[in-house]
Amino acid sequence: GQQVMQIPQYQHVQEGEDFTTYCNSSTTLSNIQWYKQRPGGHPVFLIQLVKSGEVKKQKRLTFQFGEAKKNSSLHITATQTTDVGTYFCAVDYNFNKFYFGSGTKLNVKP
Amino acid sequence: EPEVTQTPSHQVTQMGQEVILRCVPISNHLYFYWYRQILGQKVEFLVSFYNNEISEKSEIFDDQFSVERPDGSNFTLKIRSTKLEDSAMYFCASPGTGDRSYGYTFGSGTRLTVV
Repeated sequence: GQQVMQIPQYQHVQEGEDFTTYCNSSTTLSNIQWYKQRPGGHPVFLIQLVKSGEVKKQKRLTFQFGEAKKNSSLHITATQTTDVGTYFCAVDYNFNKFYFGSGTKLNVKP
Repeated sequence: EPEVTQTPSHQVTQMGQEVILRCVPISNHLYFYWYRQILGQKVEFLVSFYNNEISEKSEIFDDQFSVERPDGSNFTLKIRSTKLEDSAMYFCASPGTGDRSYGYTFGSGTRLTVV
């Protein structure tokens, strides 16, 4: 099946530090989505990126889509304990299903 | 916010038994999906359902799995003869707004434990 690589697998940060997770594909993507899953919860949609080089912001979260549409990143500025969870990218190769990355588990120490 | 409702929240079953997981997706959507997540692992695609038919399925979705729409609003995922490795969270999902431009809305999931 199609694969999308997500790194790092885990990230432990002190509250107030920044955090970044990366998603990489070997093939060009039509779009990419990002989800957050709190411990014990379900994935919650954050954003979708469609255009080459697109940058979108949601408060302290910045999402980027690479120029070649093969990679994407999610950056959180000044993490808070409420940011704890696993962040997944999800890619749509054929408009019929999304493949999720392996996720980056973020732990924020107060 | 429109919601996707899943029942039961937790199901414990003996190996070899059949289970039926239920979902009420966001209404008026043509697409519908089932995903599963083994504890601590990534969310894996199982099957997509479009206009009352299976649109696509993964290699995980073998002959022991089936998806049905018993009435206009409910969807079910049936596992005919459960195995220990079927233990996972099962999520159903609907597109956020009727197309795939706005992400999926996931249900809160059914935790299946096969003993």
